[in-house]
Amino acid sequence: GNSVTQMEGPVTLSEEAFLTINCTYTATGYPSLFWYVQYPGEGLQLLLKATKADDKGSNKGFEATYRKETTSFHLEKGSVQVSDSAVYFCALINQAGTALIFGKGTTLSVSS
Amino acid sequence: EAGVTQSPTHLIKTRGQQATLRCSPISGHTSVYWYQQALGLGLQFLLWYDEGEERNRGNFPPRFSGRQFPNYSSELNVNALELEDSALYLCASTPVYSNQPQHFGDGTRLSIL
Repeated sequence: GNSVTQMEGPVTLSEEAFLTINCTYTATGYPSLFWYVQYPGEGLQLLLKATKADDKGSNKGFEATYRKETTSFHLEKGSVQVSDSAVYFCALINQAGTALIFGKGTTLSVSS
Repeated sequence: EAGVTQSPTHLIKTRGQQATLRCSPISGHTSVYWYQQALGLGLQFLLWYDEGEERNRGNFPPRFSGRQFPNYSSELNVNALELEDSALYLCASTPVYSNQPQHFGDGTRLSIL
């Protein structure tokens, strides 16, 4: 079946540090891949997406590349800010679009 | 454009009671999804409605049910509440069922005493 595995947190960084959150997936066919972010007390916000192999999604300085050969979709940001502190979820949806499958989430804490 | 709206924001119930949660999708979106975010269990898919029909459900007991109205808004009903039903319930919508991004509301926090 479909599944998403992302690195355990929490991830604690200083402002302006480089961020990587690893995400790998198992899926049949060609899923679409997403990163969502959840700020405290809020719902999920779409951060970026990629719908086919080698696509790079990017938004607000965050990037992730759909790597079919390694079944990965790692999230990166060159210089994190305190305001990036949140929980990040990697997710996939299959071609039928029935439901999102989420990873367990990674908590990012950035200090000044 | 208004986003996905959910009500109430918080709901407190006791064991055995019934809870009703509501969701209004983004205008023009016909598919509504419900997810449960329970502490330690992550985000789990509950139900998917499209054009008024239940299209898919996750691995939850039948006391979790819902419906979608002609205006595409949706209700999630949870009967015979148990302590472990305490969670944040998130609703999402898309324009027809697809692999496009789902847009989420801020959720309803259900607390069972």
